[in-house]
Amino acid sequence: AQSVTQLDSQVPVFEEAPVELRCNYSSSVSVYLFWYVQYPNQGLQLLLKYLSGSTLVKGINGFEAEFNKSQTSFHLRKPSVHISDTAEYFCAVSDPQGQGGSEKLVFGKGTKLTVNP
Amino acid sequence: DAGVTQSPTHLIKTRGQQVTLRCSPKSGHDTVSWYQQALGQGPQFIFQYYEEEERQRGNFPDRFSGHQFPNYSSELNVNALLLGDSALYLCASSLRGPGTQYFGPGTRLLVL
Repeated sequence: AQSVTQLDSQVPVFEEAPVELRCNYSSSVSVYLFWYVQYPNQGLQLLLKYLSGSTLVKGINGFEAEFNKSQTSFHLRKPSVHISDTAEYFCAVSDPQGQGGSEKLVFGKGTKLTVNP
Repeated sequence: DAGVTQSPTHLIKTRGQQVTLRCSPKSGHDTVSWYQQALGQGPQFIFQYYEEEERQRGNFPDRFSGHQFPNYSSELNVNALLLGDSALYLCASSLRGPGTQYFGPGTRLLVL
């Protein structure tokens, strides 16, 4: 079964500093990878996704992630964070070989990013 | 273009009761998935509906059931509520096949 490990449960940073949120997955097959953001008391918003092609994926709000198949990682980065980036970030994986419909997402436990002034 | 909508936004029930949550998918989407997000955890997959049939199911008991209507909207039903069912219930819609699931704002259920 697939699983996702987000290595840091909380990441505090200062405004305008760079940040990296780490994600590792376990799967023996090709996967699709996603990062979602959840602001307090809201649903999930897609930041970016990797389906195929270039391993460097750019998303919304200046975020990017790099797919590393050999290390089974999909770390999220932003060169300069803002106060408004304070939120919970979830890494997710899906199996493109599944049957019917769309493929279920398996989520990590989340990383709470706090940006301080 | 309306995104995924869910109702109600909040709900309070007591143990043993039954609850129905509703979801309308994003325009043009035909697949609906439901997730449970307990406090401080990532979302857990409950089940997915496509063509009015349950296509995939996560590790949830039969107390959790669902339905998809011809207009692609969906309901999640939970019977015999337990305290542990308290969570944020998220609906996601997508098109059949690989790709992106778009999430609604969720329904927060509190079981007392």
